[in-house]
Amino acid sequence: DQQVKQNSPSLSVQEGRISILNCDYTNSMFDYFLWYKKYPAEGPTFLISISSIKDKNEDGRFTVFLNKSAKHLSLHIVPSQPGDSAVYFCAASAQGGGSNYKLTFGKGTLLTVNP
Amino acid sequence: EADIYQTPRYLVIGTGKKITLECSQTMGHDKMYWYQQDPGMELHLIHYSYGVNSTEKGDLSSESTVSRIRTEHFPLTLESARPSHTSQYLCASRSQGVEKLFFGSGTQLSVL
Repeated sequence: DQQVKQNSPSLSVQEGRISILNCDYTNSMFDYFLWYKKYPAEGPTFLISISSIKDKNEDGRFTVFLNKSAKHLSLHIVPSQPGDSAVYFCAASAQGGGSNYKLTFGKGTLLTVNP
Repeated sequence: EADIYQTPRYLVIGTGKKITLECSQTMGHDKMYWYQQDPGMELHLIHYSYGVNSTEKGDLSSESTVSRIRTEHFPLTLESARPSHTSQYLCASRSQGVEKLFFGSGTQLSVL
């Protein structure tokens, strides 16, 4: 049973507009959430993260919002650029960075930013 | 950023061959991980290590094995490759107390 769900396999937006990628989770023990960006045949690269004690974290064009009651988080990219075209993975962990830490990933959303 | 290296980047081999996928990191991270990923699917954890001489199986059953003789090195071995092993294999590492994984570039394995 998937604990981290990205229900949109793909998203297409125009350059300069906002991209919103969504992620839902079922495990209430998750307390840390991360977004990774992945190009084909490359490894994922870290984008931004958020702890469950916050509801928003911002880094340049990227903002992550967390709604714990809904078990939902979203990644906003403003403005979107063609170089943002990639697969975006949502990931979650429980128990902090301790020894039992594991990241659970969603299936990813393919973002295409059209010039 | 962490420096974590995987070789080879691409590998095409025949069924029955023994292969070893290499992973090395230069950051002194004690935690290392192997994930397997197919297109359109999530990353599945297949092995992890919390330090030298420590290895554990992950959430996804895998016929591969791993070893951790040195902190910086975490190779993955398939004794007899099969077409079902065709996938991308991703190595990652992190420090204790840090919740961010750093990934290598991956090995794209194709077994014919």
